[in-house]
Amino acid sequence: EVQLVESGGGLVQPGGSLRLSCAASGFSLSSYWMSWVRRAPGKGLEWVANIKLDGSEKYYVDSVKGRFTVSRDNAKNSLYLQMNSLRAEDTAVYYCARFMRGTGSWDYWGQGTLVTVSS
Amino acid sequence: QSVLTQPPSASGTPGQRVTISCSGSSSNIGSNTVNWYQHLPGTAPKLLIYSNNQRPSGVPDRFSGSRSGTSASLAISGLQSEDEADYYCATWDDNLNGPVFGGGTKLTVL
Repeated sequence: EVQLVESGGGLVQPGGSLRLSCAASGFSLSSYWMSWVRRAPGKGLEWVANIKLDGSEKYYVDSVKGRFTVSRDNAKNSLYLQMNSLRAEDTAVYYCARFMRGTGSWDYWGQGTLVTVSS
Repeated sequence: QSVLTQPPSASGTPGQRVTISCSGSSSNIGSNTVNWYQHLPGTAPKLLIYSNNQRPSGVPDRFSGSRSGTSASLAISGLQSEDEADYYCATWDDNLNGPVFGGGTKLTVL
């Protein structure tokens, strides 16, 4: 059974940093692109970042470029999101999801982890 | 402002058929396939439709999708109370070089 479990969320002050993790199981992480998607309170889903199978290519939404870094450790079956210079507008539930490059769809998602940026 | 435009809300009574629209442009829906997701806050989003009209295993055939030109739609027939959720269309945008979502439609089952 495919499972994605996020962790690392919490309360952080504006300008602070946080590192999210996503533990994958039930499939070979090295065979799939992976993504981070977020949903801010009262808002809709927003794609944040994609990372290629081996981590050699990474893509970000404009609003997080230069501040967020996606990475992966296939040997540890883990995906990460390093978030620096956090802003209030980054407050959201962050989901990791398996990205199907051929269809452009996310077929499996985690339950999410809440990040709150507030003083 | 979302790149893809969806109505903010939709509603229907049990057993009815409802349709949710998704409007885009030539750089997204017009040149890429559309996917639909169901989301209840606090839970994992669920893929309902991929490649415009394909259902993943386990998704009831009450859910169907279509695409025409720069628009797409999701239809739910035989509406059930458990269908009450937020629904999102999504596709790739060639100009932005990344995935984009619609703003979401909150479906209420009356």
